[in-house]
Amino acid sequence: AQRVTQPEKLLSVFKGAPVELKCNYSYSGSPELFWYVQYSRQRLQLLLRHISRESIKGFTADLNKGETSFHLKKPFAQEEDSAMYYCALKGGSEKLVFGKGTKLTVNP
Amino acid sequence: GAVVSQHPSRVICKSGTSVKIECRSLDFQATTMFWYRQFPKKSLMLMATSNEGSKATYEQGVEKDKFLINHASLTLSTLTVTSAHPEDSSFYICSARGLSGNANTGELFFGEGSRLTVL
Repeated sequence: AQRVTQPEKLLSVFKGAPVELKCNYSYSGSPELFWYVQYSRQRLQLLLRHISRESIKGFTADLNKGETSFHLKKPFAQEEDSAMYYCALKGGSEKLVFGKGTKLTVNP
Repeated sequence: GAVVSQHPSRVICKSGTSVKIECRSLDFQATTMFWYRQFPKKSLMLMATSNEGSKATYEQGVEKDKFLINHASLTLSTLTVTSAHPEDSSFYICSARGLSGNANTGELFFGEGSRLTVL
């Protein structure tokens, strides 16, 4: 079974502070992991995926198979980063399973 | 990026009536579309996988006779909530994966969602 856990429903940081959104997964095979973001009143959109190993808007995420984690990090949070963040896993099928999401608030 | 459009964005209906929600891929062909339901303050729950030209695959616990899915073309999938009841009130979101390009990366493109309110 595929499962994604985001332990924090809410995360609040100050502008310029580092931020880490946690994501742990459960899957017996080799997963593909993604982070999706939903800004206020906008649709869900892809932020980054582990296979690309890219940095988007200053965010990075490293897949740690030993810890089955895919935490999202940014060294200096900005107010415009405030949004809902969803970690997602794609296993052997076409399905994408989402975590419950973390609402990030970056305070001025 | 690719655009997925949903219509209507909001719909209010009386209990017992049926409501159809459309999901269109505007600038690409989508062999596979997914329908999600989002409950307040909760995650997206996958309801079904819609495959062009074949029957949809429903997730466990989702009533296929209640939530009818039709994927008649490569750019359109529809979700019909039949005999709607207040507990069906929710935010329904579709997503689509293209024929090529991003298909191998697993990226999905999401519609803006449709909020259904059943009175």
